[in-house]
Amino acid sequence: AQSVTQLGSHVSVSEGALVLLRCNYSSSVPPYLFWYVQYPNQGLQLLLKYTTGATLVKGINGFEAEFKKSETSFHLTKPSAHMSDAAEYFCAVSDRDTGGFKTIFGAGTRLFVKA
Amino acid sequence: DVKVTQSSRYLVKRTGEKVFLECVQDMDHENMFWYRQDPGLGLRLIYFSYDVKMKEKGDIPEGYSVSREKKERFSLILESASTNQTSMYLCASSLASGVAGAHEQYFGPGTRLTVT
Repeated sequence: AQSVTQLGSHVSVSEGALVLLRCNYSSSVPPYLFWYVQYPNQGLQLLLKYTTGATLVKGINGFEAEFKKSETSFHLTKPSAHMSDAAEYFCAVSDRDTGGFKTIFGAGTRLFVKA
Repeated sequence: DVKVTQSSRYLVKRTGEKVFLECVQDMDHENMFWYRQDPGLGLRLIYFSYDVKMKEKGDIPEGYSVSREKKERFSLILESASTNQTSMYLCASSLASGVAGAHEQYFGPGTRLTVT
């Protein structure tokens, strides 16, 4: 059965510091992996996704994530945090289920950026 | 750009009322979803639909029903609202999954429902 674990419900970084948000998944088959961001009072929007091919995926706003099959991880990083990155981030995994694909979302990590 | 709209941003209802949450997407997506979002629990799938008049239960369908009479519109119905249904409700849509694999979902802004 699928599951998604995001380590840390809250992460705080200083402006300009590295952002690292952790995501581990379990899946019986190679999954499709997504990171979404939710700004206050908004819906989720896609940051990046991994389907097949290159394991380092670049997304919007300078974020990237690396798919590591051996570690079943898909951690999200950004070299230098900006105040505007403060938001909640969700990791999601999709893999084949009866009749199609099923997507499971992690519990979310709220990122705080200190000036 | 894909646009998913939800009928209300904020809604306050009384216990026992019938509540309708409407969602419309403008990108001809086959799949539509309803989630509820609660702190610390992430998004939990209530119902989804992969075609007009088709619906499938998600992980927490109890107390909810849905309707999809047109491809672009997916409605969530709370037959008799209860206080434990106070939550943020998010609608999403996506292309049909197939040989190309799973597609990303596009979300509406959410409806914050309070049941008193």
